[in-house]
Amino acid sequence: KNEVEQSPQNLTAQEGEFITINCSYSVGISALHWLQQHPGGGIVSLFMLSSGKKKHGRLIATINIQEKHSSLHITASHPRDSAVYICAVYLIGRDDKIIFGKGTRLHILP
Amino acid sequence: EPEVTQTPSHQVTQMGQEVILRCVPISNHLYFYWYRQILGQKVEFLVSFYNNEISEKSEIFDDQFSVERPDGSNFTLKIRSTKLEDSAMYFCASSDASGGSYEQYFGPGTRLTVT
Repeated sequence: KNEVEQSPQNLTAQEGEFITINCSYSVGISALHWLQQHPGGGIVSLFMLSSGKKKHGRLIATINIQEKHSSLHITASHPRDSAVYICAVYLIGRDDKIIFGKGTRLHILP
Repeated sequence: EPEVTQTPSHQVTQMGQEVILRCVPISNHLYFYWYRQILGQKVEFLVSFYNNEISEKSEIFDDQFSVERPDGSNFTLKIRSTKLEDSAMYFCASSDASGGSYEQYFGPGTRLTVT
């Protein structure tokens, strides 16, 4: 069983739709990282959070430590949001160790 | 804003050849990492490096792999005798662990193609 599970694996939506990507994990973590990977392959950091909620522009990330679950939301989605979104967790007590989810491939249609 | 850089962006090599992938971490960072992502698969940890030595390595990081910090700025990953299955995207990352934050900053990656 994967220690970090993301859902859905693939998501296609129309421009303007509200998008939710979920991440569940089974290990103790000190923090969770949401990353974006564009078709060219480069990885961009979106959020790193250990509790509550963070917002940046149209992106919102929440985490519930008790439920071991995090969500990434995109409001007013746009075709340029099309990318793979990766959830990665930092193991508690092993802050240098990251476990990655498989990613959610998002495609926003114009 | 400081960023991690990697060169080359794309490397094509023949099976059995040695390759060196280069990374320049953010200048005040102390922890360095290499990750690999085979096409269509998730990112996998290869190795972490701190205080001029490997702090952890995965089972992927066998004797064919080595890392080095040859000077104060570069961090390299060497694959001695490449195999077809080494074809992947290789990401370097760095962190400074200051103030209790271990956030890792990723480079843009090097796409390695072994033919």
